[in-house]
Amino acid sequence: DAKTTQPTSMDCAEGRAANLPCNHSTISGNEYVYWYRQIHSQGPQYIIHGLKNNETNEMASLIITEDRKSSTLILPHATLRDTAVYYCIVRAAGTNAGKSTFGDGTTLTVKP
Amino acid sequence: NAGVTQTPKFRVLKTGQSMTLLCAQDMNHEYMYWYRQDPGMGLRLIHYSVGEGTTAKGEVPDGYNVSRLKKQNFLLGLESAAPSQTSVYFCASLRWTKGDTGELFFGEGSRLTVL
Repeated sequence: DAKTTQPTSMDCAEGRAANLPCNHSTISGNEYVYWYRQIHSQGPQYIIHGLKNNETNEMASLIITEDRKSSTLILPHATLRDTAVYYCIVRAAGTNAGKSTFGDGTTLTVKP
Repeated sequence: NAGVTQTPKFRVLKTGQSMTLLCAQDMNHEYMYWYRQDPGMGLRLIHYSVGEGTTAKGEVPDGYNVSRLKKQNFLLGLESAAPSQTSVYFCASLRWTKGDTGELFFGEGSRLTVL
């Protein structure tokens, strides 16, 4: 699996958009970009994923650069409950899913 | 629908003791994983399994053994616990078939302290 690089921490004002970057310069053509978050000491929770195109769901948007070497997770209107550690991982699909490794993630603090 | 269930949720061991953590999933997932998370750190992959009867090493496999005798269960064993194995252990499962998101489903964690 490709390695990812994320900032250690970020702050965001409540109600504003939170933009979390991730670098994955060694990503392979068959690898997806996944985002998870971990609130307090709970198990990580899936947010969104994508391969090439930008994706949006009820939780967030994912913007992937054209060369796929980096991506940005966008929480459009951050709330205090979005304070968490956010993990960006890249992983192959199907029978090559195999290992699924996490880094240290970005600690997002949403402030009133 | 219970999802991924880990037992026990808390355990205190003495150095040298052995124990087994059980992970059970009711979603008929092929892939299962064991991670450990130390304070202030991210998740590190210990072992994983891509199907019943298979296991493979992750990033930090030393001191642990695993078994996947049944598709729904993935066991993590510590033969001789050490204080360095004090951590929170998370189990996860994944199904990858056409149309699925391929997301990992996590358990609530098992907090292990080795004295």
